[in-house]
Formats: sequence, structure tokens, C-alpha cells
Amino acid sequence: AQTVTQSQPEMSVQEAETVTLSCTYDTSENNYYLFWYKQPPSRQMILVIRQEAYKQQNATENRFSVNFQKAAKSFSLKISDSQLGDTAMYFCAFGLFVQGAQKLVFGQGTRLTINP
Amino acid sequence: GAVVSQHPSRVICKSGTSVKIECRSLDFQATTMFWYRQFPKQSLMLMATSNEGSKATYEQGVEKDKFLINHASLTLSTLTVTSAHPEDSSFYICSARDPPRDTEAFFGQGTRLTVV
Repeated sequence: AQTVTQSQPEMSVQEAETVTLSCTYDTSENNYYLFWYKQPPSRQMILVIRQEAYKQQNATENRFSVNFQKAAKSFSLKISDSQLGDTAMYFCAFGLFVQGAQKLVFGQGTRLTINP
Repeated sequence: GAVVSQHPSRVICKSGTSVKIECRSLDFQATTMFWYRQFPKQSLMLMATSNEGSKATYEQGVEKDKFLINHASLTLSTLTVTSAHPEDSSFYICSARDPPRDTEAFFGQGTRLTVV
């Protein structure tokens, strides 16, 4: 079974600072996807960034980038120039195709607060 | 992007009654939908995978007779919580898979169920 661990329950930084959220996972699979989702107070899950395991290059999306270390099974999220709107719960998720459908396993989440 | 609509967003029901939650894909056909449960300040836990035209696949520990899932069309899956009890109070979220974009799950807005 796959497990995802986020060791930082809460983090807080000042606006414009850079923050890194950590995530580790455990799997015996070789082909999978990794995701970071954001859940603001509205509770709507929003995809922040995704990484295909077969790609060595780290994914980037504007201010968001990941550090994917496949051998170490680590998948951290870096948010640069943090903004007040980045305040939310962030979930790391592992995606694996099972019978044609991609099942997601989520970490426990990190509550990120951006202070003005 | 693909839109998934979940209804109702909030529902309060009495103990012993049943409540139905709908999950609709508005602009794509979803052969597979997923139902998650999220307790306060916790992560999303997959309850079941719903496949159009066939029986849902439940995760270990989820009572299939309590949480009835129906996926009768390519755009609608329903979750019925039967004989609800206060411990069923939770936030329920659905997600849908859009086959051309398999690597991304699209989430509904969630339903907050309170059983009194």
C-alpha cells in the first residue's frame, strides 16, 4: 500500500518570503504521479502542481516548484514570493492507476499561513 | 478546466434518515468518480470508486450498505448515506476523471453533512 507523509502540520511565513513544504511517500511502484493540492477555506480542492515519476525534471508552475527526489521518495513544494492568497491547507498526493482509474492517496496536510 | 458540481453544499438531517449527495461532471463525461470523506482538520480519505454502469468499489473499512453509491450515467454519481448517525457527520468530496486528462482529478465543492 502507498503512504504519504507530511511532517509539518503547520507553517507560517511573512508575505513575499519563500516557503518549502515537505512530503515523503512510500511505494513499490515505478510509474506514478505526485501532486500538490491546495484547499483554501472554501474547501474546494485546487491542483497546484503535478509531477510524473518518469520525468527527472522538476515541475514548475509560476511561483510554485517542486523538488522531486525519486530515490529518496521525497516531493517538496516551494512557494516563492508568497502571497496572502496562498494561505490554505496543502495536501501532497500520490496517484496510481488501478484498473484504469487513478486513485489518489493524500498526506495529512500542512496548514500554511501567509502573514502580512 | 473541467467542472465538477456537488450538491448540496450543506445538509442537516435527523438521525435515522437518509441523505443523498450528487456529484455531476458539467462539461465532460466521467467514467469514473471518487468519493472522499474529510474529518475536521484531517486529510481526505478515499471511500469508494464509482464506475459508470457497474458496482462501486469500496475501500477497506467502508460500509457499503451505509454508503450507497450509484453511477447511473456518465455525468452523475450519487452517494446516499443511509440511516445516518451523528458519527456520519463529515465533509464529503467527490472527484471525477476526465479520460483525455487522466493525470488530473477534478473535485467538487464538497458537502458538509451534519446529523443531529
